[in-house]
Amino acid sequence: EPEVTQTPSHQVTQMGQEVILRCVPISNHLYFYWYRQILGQKVEFLVSFYNNEISEKSEIFDDQFSVERPDGSNFTLKIRSTKLEDSAMYFCASNQQGSKGYTFGSGTRLTVV
Amino acid sequence: GQNIDQPTEMTATEGAIVQINCTYQTSGFNGLFWYQQHAGEAPTFLSYNVLDGLEEKGRFSSFLSRSKGYSYLLLKELQMKDSASYLCAVRDNTNAGKSTFGDGTTLTVKP
Repeated sequence: EPEVTQTPSHQVTQMGQEVILRCVPISNHLYFYWYRQILGQKVEFLVSFYNNEISEKSEIFDDQFSVERPDGSNFTLKIRSTKLEDSAMYFCASNQQGSKGYTFGSGTRLTVV
Repeated sequence: GQNIDQPTEMTATEGAIVQINCTYQTSGFNGLFWYQQHAGEAPTFLSYNVLDGLEEKGRFSSFLSRSKGYSYLLLKELQMKDSASYLCAVRDNTNAGKSTFGDGTTLTVKP
């Protein structure tokens, strides 16, 4: 079964540093998302991406965050200057049509120290 | 915005049936999803309802009443491996259709 691939699985970074989280969505999917889940809390929407542009973003997705689809396969989330409260599991997700359930990647656990 | 409520925890016995409820208030609705999430893992898609009624898929069924803002996930013939969090998520009616997740219900299946 096709998978969404995320790298790295774990990332530890110092406060103020930039991080790039990488995702390879399923190849024939059209809609891409980033969600995050702080330990013990709910899954929270960050941003959706369709047709090579951001469709929607949440209040969490401030100027420190950006997304890119630099080529036909990768989908990246950049956090420019990390804060302690950015520590969370970051999930990439994709689906073929907006109405279907997501396929999530296995996540990147980001720890900001 | 969306407001989603589901019980925090439930416990059930192996082989039994359990029903996990979800209520929602929404400013736009285009479907309700149930996901399963084991500890430390990503959510996995279980079911999708956009019309009223029951959708059955093996041991799992999901029900939706749009007028009541209510859904439930029914798990039959419970197995130990069903111990997990079950996430109710509502899709909004924008083009890319982001989903808003509930806090999840942690189900513990006991022998």
